[in-house]
Amino acid sequence: RKEVEQDPGPFNVPEGATVAFNCTYSNSASQSFFWYRQDCRKEPKLLMSVYSSGNEDGRFTAQLNRASQYISLLIRDSKLSDSATYLCAVNRRGNNRLAFGKGNQVVVIP
Amino acid sequence: DGGITQSPKYLFRKEGQNVTLSCEQNLNHDAMYWYRQDPGQGLRLIYYSQIVNDFQKGDIAEGYSVSREKKESFPLTVTSAQKNPTAFYLCASSHQTGGEETQYFGPGTRLLVL
Repeated sequence: RKEVEQDPGPFNVPEGATVAFNCTYSNSASQSFFWYRQDCRKEPKLLMSVYSSGNEDGRFTAQLNRASQYISLLIRDSKLSDSATYLCAVNRRGNNRLAFGKGNQVVVIP
Repeated sequence: DGGITQSPKYLFRKEGQNVTLSCEQNLNHDAMYWYRQDPGQGLRLIYYSQIVNDFQKGDIAEGYSVSREKKESFPLTVTSAQKNPTAFYLCASSHQTGGEETQYFGPGTRLLVL
């Protein structure tokens, strides 16, 4: 099983709709979880950290399910500008290293 | 302006040539990292450094070398031993805050083999 797995998509989403996707991880001892946004040919930019209790930032909601070992990202009221690849990252316990998934590609359609 | 800078933006390498990618940060971060990203792939860790004058191999270190002589700088050399160097190279740094290892990325360098 890979350390971090994501369904690459693409996820084609009508403008204004809600889209959600998951990221599964294999190391049950992982403690830190992140979502990054990466635009085409650009560097990843931190979107949000994922906390145990779940957290929300505007239209974005992140959840952590430790029992099933996945994190999720939900985007409400999708905008055209939300089109990007969303990478999840999970720490490797015991050091500062992160393992990244391949990303979920989101395409918001007018 | 605080942040991470990488240069050059594009780099061309001839067969058998070593090339060095620059990464500088003024965030006062202790840890720095080099990743490689291939099309449609996730980020793969090449090398990382948690403190000056110390660094460790990542998952795909063969054909690469690094140095960490200053806190602000973590250059990556792609040697001729790296047979498939064409990729997008990303440098990152982190400052451990509250147990979270949030990493921030530079703009990247695209390396192409001629």
